[in-house]
Amino acid sequence: NAGVTQTPKFQVLKTGQSMTLQCAQDMNHNSMYWYRQDPGMGLRLIYYSASEGTTDKGEVPNGYNVSRLNKREFSLRLESAAPSQTSVYFCASRGSGSSYNSPLHFGNGTRLTVT
Amino acid sequence: GNSVTQMEGPVTLSEEAFLTINCTYTATGYPSLFWYVQYPGEGLQLLLKATKADDKGSNKGFEATYRKETTSFHLEKGSVQVSDSAVYFCALRPNDYKLSFGAGTTVTVRA
Repeated sequence: NAGVTQTPKFQVLKTGQSMTLQCAQDMNHNSMYWYRQDPGMGLRLIYYSASEGTTDKGEVPNGYNVSRLNKREFSLRLESAAPSQTSVYFCASRGSGSSYNSPLHFGNGTRLTVT
Repeated sequence: GNSVTQMEGPVTLSEEAFLTINCTYTATGYPSLFWYVQYPGEGLQLLLKATKADDKGSNKGFEATYRKETTSFHLEKGSVQVSDSAVYFCALRPNDYKLSFGAGTTVTVRA
C-alpha cells in the first residue's frame, strides 16, 4: 500500500523556469492538499481540493496553480519559479466521507531549490 | 482567525528524560486538536488527536489533553527514547477542510 506518492523528491530550478510537482494517492480519498514547509513557519496550505473537480486557495496560493486530474492525482505547478519558492512541498490526502477529524496522510515531500 | 503557537525549539534531551512541548491555540468555535510527528526524511504522520474539551489523546507513550479553559494542548512523554527524535507539530482543525499547523518543534534525544 503506497499511500501518498510524490515526485520528484528533489529538484533544482533556475528563476523563471516552470515545473509541475506530481502527487497521487491510492486510498480512495476525496480531499487532497498541497503544503509548503519552511523553517520556523511550519506548514502552510497552498491549495486544496475537497473533492474531485474542485480546488480552492489556501493561505499562500500566489505563484502556484493546481489541477485535480482525477480522484487519485493532484498536481502543483510553478509557472515561473522564484527564489522565494525554495521550500519543501508536501502533498496530503484525507479520508473520504468521514468526519473532519480523520487524519491527513502525507507524502514524503519534494525538496525544491530555486536559484 | 485560527492559529497555533507552539514552543520554539530545538529541544535536546537525554534518554529517559521527561518531554513537554507547549501548544496553545486561537480559534472560533470548537476545533479539533492534533499532534503530528515528522521523522527525518519523511512526511508528517498523525501522533494523536482530541476532538472536544477534556479529551486526552494518547499514542506511543505520548499524551495531550484538550484544555479549553487555557486553550492549550501540551504534548508530554514521561521517558523519551532516541527513536523519538523528530519534529513535532501541533495543529487545529476548525469546522472546515483546512488544518492549521504550528511552526514545529525539533526534538533531539541523546543516548
